[in-house]
Amino acid sequence: NAGVTQTPKFRVLKTGQSMTLLCAQDMNHEYMYWYRQDPGMGLRLIHYSVGEGTTAKGEVPDGYNVSRLKKQNFLLGLESAAPSQTSVYFCASSYRDRAGGNPPSETQYFGPGTRLLVL
Amino acid sequence: GQNIDQPTEMTATEGAIVQINCTYQTSGFNGLFWYQQHAGEAPTFLSYNVLDGLEEKGRFSSFLSRSKGYSYLLLKELQMKDSASYLCAVRSDSGAGSYQLTFGKGTKLSVIP
Repeated sequence: NAGVTQTPKFRVLKTGQSMTLLCAQDMNHEYMYWYRQDPGMGLRLIHYSVGEGTTAKGEVPDGYNVSRLKKQNFLLGLESAAPSQTSVYFCASSYRDRAGGNPPSETQYFGPGTRLLVL
Repeated sequence: GQNIDQPTEMTATEGAIVQINCTYQTSGFNGLFWYQQHAGEAPTFLSYNVLDGLEEKGRFSSFLSRSKGYSYLLLKELQMKDSASYLCAVRSDSGAGSYQLTFGKGTKLSVIP
């Protein structure tokens, strides 16, 4: 199993350009998440999905859109990139909540990250 | 809202023991995770506590006190490869049939010879 993969690994954009980050998982996880990680800020949740065709906003959703058309894929879109969106983006996935177990079934597993620089 | 505090940086000597603390204030608490993140890499799961007490996994142990809003990660017999950031994350129910993780800013541990 490849686990959680992300493409691209690195990208440079100019202000105002658009792009889509792709996250794919082959673990049949129901839940998927997009985070951004900035120095001194920790990981912050952008959007998440609890199943195919459903998405929800996280802590910092402004400027981003997401789609989950297939269970294994979760796309993060930037319609008009801004320098403030320079960051490292991590995708994660997990099973849905199942009672019991340590680690719990909903433990999140992360992809390798996408480094985005907006000039 | 959620508030999670952990020290920004720590330094410890190879072979020693180090304790990384995490305090939290949260609503709907439903468990606490510790993740390890090496520089330039993804976070990886280390441990999970939902009940008070100590969970031990080899050289790593994690402790939780729900009444005090406090957890710590204990690393024994430190090795150079333990140099990494350690992220404390609190699980809380989102009310939509799922849960969310709120991460602390991480503690960067440097292990020196």
